[in-house]
Amino acid sequence: KAGVTQTPRYLIKTRGQQVTLSCSPISGHRSVSWYQQTPGQGLQFLFEYFSETQRNKGNFPGRFSGRQFSNSRSEMNVSTLELGDSALYLCASSLAGTGDHEQYFGPGTRLTVT
Amino acid sequence: AQSVSQHNHHVILSEAASLELGCNYSYGGTVNLFWYVQYPGQHLQLLLKYFSGDPLVKGIKGFEAEFIKSKFSFNLRKPSVQWSDTAEYFCAVTPYTGRRALTFGSGTRLQVQP
Repeated sequence: KAGVTQTPRYLIKTRGQQVTLSCSPISGHRSVSWYQQTPGQGLQFLFEYFSETQRNKGNFPGRFSGRQFSNSRSEMNVSTLELGDSALYLCASSLAGTGDHEQYFGPGTRLTVT
Repeated sequence: AQSVSQHNHHVILSEAASLELGCNYSYGGTVNLFWYVQYPGQHLQLLLKYFSGDPLVKGIKGFEAEFIKSKFSFNLRKPSVQWSDTAEYFCAVTPYTGRRALTFGSGTRLQVQP
């Protein structure tokens, strides 16, 4: 079974631009979560989607948004990019929305903002 | 809000040495606990998980962890490390609500010298 895939793997953007990252979960997984990983702040939860609905949101500004499609694929968008948004963005999928199910992580998208 | 503390930021061991990495969390309710590993250049992989039942859980590659509820701890152990265990290790917790918002510790970088 294929793992979580994320595209693109690397991205360079300029301050003020916006960016969209994509995540395809493991087949059959309906919950998708997004995390930001930086050297300074570590791994931080952004948001979680289940059945096309955002169920949970971390402490990030409104410039960070996401959505989930009916096939469980998810996208996250960052508008008006800042230098501090440079990070590895990780997507994780889980089998179901509730119950004891672990999350499987993708390889991440490395975003560099110049 | 919950938090996770990993007291060892950088650990250097020789091959065959025993390993114990500390993890403490703060949360008043029932939690699910995880250890993830990130090998150089690879994505986060689940080492082991605790949802309920036997507090001593065994994971992949000979790792185990013990959940001590009274101490809010979930320490990771391995009796004999190998050079291939060189990686960064993350402890994570999520409240037992079925939601997928993992709170991660800051990570422990393990370096195993041959």
